[in-house]
Amino acid sequence: QKEVEQNSGPLSVPEGAIASLNCTYSDRGSQSFFWYRQYSGKSPELIMFIYSNGDKEDGRFTAQLNKASQYVSLLIRDSQPSDSATYLCAVNSPGYALNFGKGTSLLVTP
Amino acid sequence: EPEVTQTPSHQVTQMGQEVILRCVPISNHLYFYWYRQILGQKVEFLVSFYNNEISEKSEIFDDQFSVERPDGSNFTLKIRSTKLEDSAMYFCASREGSGGALVTDTQYFGPGTRLTVL
Repeated sequence: QKEVEQNSGPLSVPEGAIASLNCTYSDRGSQSFFWYRQYSGKSPELIMFIYSNGDKEDGRFTAQLNKASQYVSLLIRDSQPSDSATYLCAVNSPGYALNFGKGTSLLVTP
Repeated sequence: EPEVTQTPSHQVTQMGQEVILRCVPISNHLYFYWYRQILGQKVEFLVSFYNNEISEKSEIFDDQFSVERPDGSNFTLKIRSTKLEDSAMYFCASREGSGGALVTDTQYFGPGTRLTVL
């Protein structure tokens, strides 16, 4: 069984702080790693993808990948109340379906 | 910006009835997917579709489910005889799949159809 594990949270951070979200996966064959944001009752919205070891930055978001440790993370700098949502980690191999974690609930408090 | 659309946004049906959920993928996309999310649970893969045939399906996608691309724009999911446990959000997704670096080929999700089986 290919698992994607996330801490369900809630993770609470004050406005302006850095939020750190973590994800581990069991399938060593996974090659693509995605972070989606999901607001309650809405569909997943892509934030970032990463497929090489190391860091990838996009605005306030940084994705980090360590394939040896089977670990991927998302950092959100200068967190805003509008960032409050559930963050979904998803992994796949090219051409295959996404395998999602259960998501981490993030609450950014003013 | 092109987006995936889904209809209806909410479908209420009686147990045992057939339902058809509709999706219009992004126009130049070649790969289509259905996922579902039971309330409070993770997003689960159901089926993928390429070149007018199923390319991958999960254990959830049993004989009660079918997919079809009836024309050049629509992609449908049919549940033949709904059960209470089919109540969930159903998401359609598509990706371009135009070749090259497939590893970066991102799936874009529609807004979902909330299916309620009574």
